[in-house]
Amino acid sequence: GENVEQHPSTLSVQEGDSAVIKCTYSDSASNYFPWYKQELGKGPQLIIDIRSNVGEKKDQRIAVTLNKTAKHFSLHITETQPEDSAVYFCAASIENSGGSNYKLTFGKGTLLTVNP
Amino acid sequence: NAGVTQTPKFQVLKTGQSMTLQCAQDMNHNSMYWYRQDPGMGLRLIYYSASEGTTDKGEVPNGYNVSRLNKREFSLRLESAAPSQTSVYFCASSRLAGGLQGQEQYFGPGTRLTVT
Repeated sequence: GENVEQHPSTLSVQEGDSAVIKCTYSDSASNYFPWYKQELGKGPQLIIDIRSNVGEKKDQRIAVTLNKTAKHFSLHITETQPEDSAVYFCAASIENSGGSNYKLTFGKGTLLTVNP
Repeated sequence: NAGVTQTPKFQVLKTGQSMTLQCAQDMNHNSMYWYRQDPGMGLRLIYYSASEGTTDKGEVPNGYNVSRLNKREFSLRLESAAPSQTSVYFCASSRLAGGLQGQEQYFGPGTRLTVT
């Protein structure tokens, strides 16, 4: 089955700096890669996702890049703010038109702390 | 539009007791999921239901049963709780059952379960 590794497990940055979180996956058939943000005491919330037909996707201060050859993808947050402090999870799965694989495999998470 | 709701929010059980965690979604989603979250382990899939009337095991199904009561509701039952089942449980749903670009999962707020 799919295995997703996520690094680092903790990341501390100063407000205004950039933060990068990296994930690798093992199944070359995976083609859908979402990122979730989990604030303390809440459920994970989807913040951005990328499919394997594109190499990069951006939404305001966050961006995700994908390298299919190397089987890794990364989350980039620019101009970090204290409210970006949370646990971030990457995940991978296979989307297809007729199959039965609906399962996301998650990384173990990164605790991001943005210091004012 | 409440999204995904879970009850109860907190629960303490004694070893051997049983309980059912309830989940409901109002987004007309086809697929629903149960995860558990443990420190340093990320999110692990317990069971999922790709569509109404079907359920399948995930990564860690032992000690659990599920029921897809209707399209809206998906319950998780612990028949004989064990201390190893102390965890935070999340329910999630997604729009399409195995289709393209429908796998975005939306999570509930979680149930914090302690088994003593």
